[in-house]
Amino acid sequence: GESVGLHLPTLSVQEGDNSIINCAYSNSASDYFIWYKQESGKGPQFIIDIRSNMDKRQGQRVTVLLNKTVKHLSLQIAATQPGDSAVYFCAENMYGQNFVFGPGTRLSVLP
Amino acid sequence: EAGVAQSPRYKIIEKRQSVAFWCNPISGHATLYWYQQILGQGPKLLIQFQNNGVVDDSQLPKDRFSAERLKGVDSTLKIQPAKLEDSAVYLCASMGPLNTEAFFGQGTRLTVV
Repeated sequence: GESVGLHLPTLSVQEGDNSIINCAYSNSASDYFIWYKQESGKGPQFIIDIRSNMDKRQGQRVTVLLNKTVKHLSLQIAATQPGDSAVYFCAENMYGQNFVFGPGTRLSVLP
Repeated sequence: EAGVAQSPRYKIIEKRQSVAFWCNPISGHATLYWYQQILGQGPKLLIQFQNNGVVDDSQLPKDRFSAERLKGVDSTLKIQPAKLEDSAVYLCASMGPLNTEAFFGQGTRLTVV
């Protein structure tokens, strides 16, 4: 079936640097995307979303970029902090359907 | 706003036993999902409800898994009989009428021994 994948399974960044987490999706009909953060022992936490009629959306310290031409999604985290250490998932959705998740990228923030 | 509530948080059972998980979604959220998350993997959909109707249960192992949402609010997921490979975190999520921002509960960690 359709699936969402990630380019990098792990990412280590220095505290204060910017992080970029990438995601490739396969269903060109998907029209809604969410980035989730999951800390150990917790459920996925909503970070930011974007609809397919947009190519960029900014939140607090986070930016999501969507490139529909190559079916690519990225999450940028500015000034990465130790509390950002977690596994990050992108998820794709078609209206009324379920969310399809990728395997996740583990972000490790180095002191 | 209260979040998605799940119980229990942890459960350990022997194989071939049965187990049930409970989920109370965010008030007013018509869409409810159950996902299975095996360690080191992303969540995978088991079943999706819209109010009390099933939208998608194509990935639910129906020989052993069942789920219901009788009144269109809270939901239960049951496994009978459990297998070792059912060890995972079972996540419940709900989404509101604008079809945005699906929120997840903390999950139930099931260990089958």
